[in-house]
Amino acid sequence: DVKVTQSSRYLVKRTGEKVFLECVQDMDHENMFWYRQDPGLGLRLIYFSYDVKMKEKGDIPEGYSVSREKKERFSLILESASTNQTSMYLCASSFAGTGFQPQHFGDGTRLSIL
Amino acid sequence: DQQVKQNSPSLSVQEGRISILNCDYTNSMFDYFLWYKKYPAEGPTFLISISSIKDKNEDGRFTVFLNKSAKHLSLHIVPSQPGDSAVYFCAARNVYGDDKIIFGKGTRLHILP
Repeated sequence: DVKVTQSSRYLVKRTGEKVFLECVQDMDHENMFWYRQDPGLGLRLIYFSYDVKMKEKGDIPEGYSVSREKKERFSLILESASTNQTSMYLCASSFAGTGFQPQHFGDGTRLSIL
Repeated sequence: DQQVKQNSPSLSVQEGRISILNCDYTNSMFDYFLWYKKYPAEGPTFLISISSIKDKNEDGRFTVFLNKSAKHLSLHIVPSQPGDSAVYFCAARNVYGDDKIIFGKGTRLHILP
């Protein structure tokens, strides 16, 4: 079974802090994704990466950056946390290549910015 | 502009009956459609997919129907069970989209005893 592990289930930080959310997958997937989920808005893509050191902006990248130094690990960084970044953050991974490969998700990090 | 739309925020169905969740899309370049299920405090779990060249895919109690002319898909759950109570997300992949998928806003399904 694919395992996508997010380092924290719950996190509380203060406005202006630099926040790191970590995600690790154990299936040698090329693609990794960061989403946020908010009530009534579904899942929105923040950033994704299709290879080590590669990154692409998603639909809502403002206020975020990412890092992928190793294939199995994808970090989301809130450069200066703000209250409107309080949300559930979800990491996912998938194989690249031909055909269709579903994304597999971690259990999420519920982040509160005070 | 919402490319994947789930117009029903919630749905209640009696246990044992059929649950039908609906989804509409606007982009003709989607090549795969997916359904994910999400319980509170857990990540979404992939449920079933369908290629745009098919009109039906079945997996146990779950069947997805695709009507390309209407740009509509639906997920049927028969029979509905208490463990099916969750939020269901419809999603789609753009054939040119680098394996990104676009999610709808979700439908919360309540299975009533």
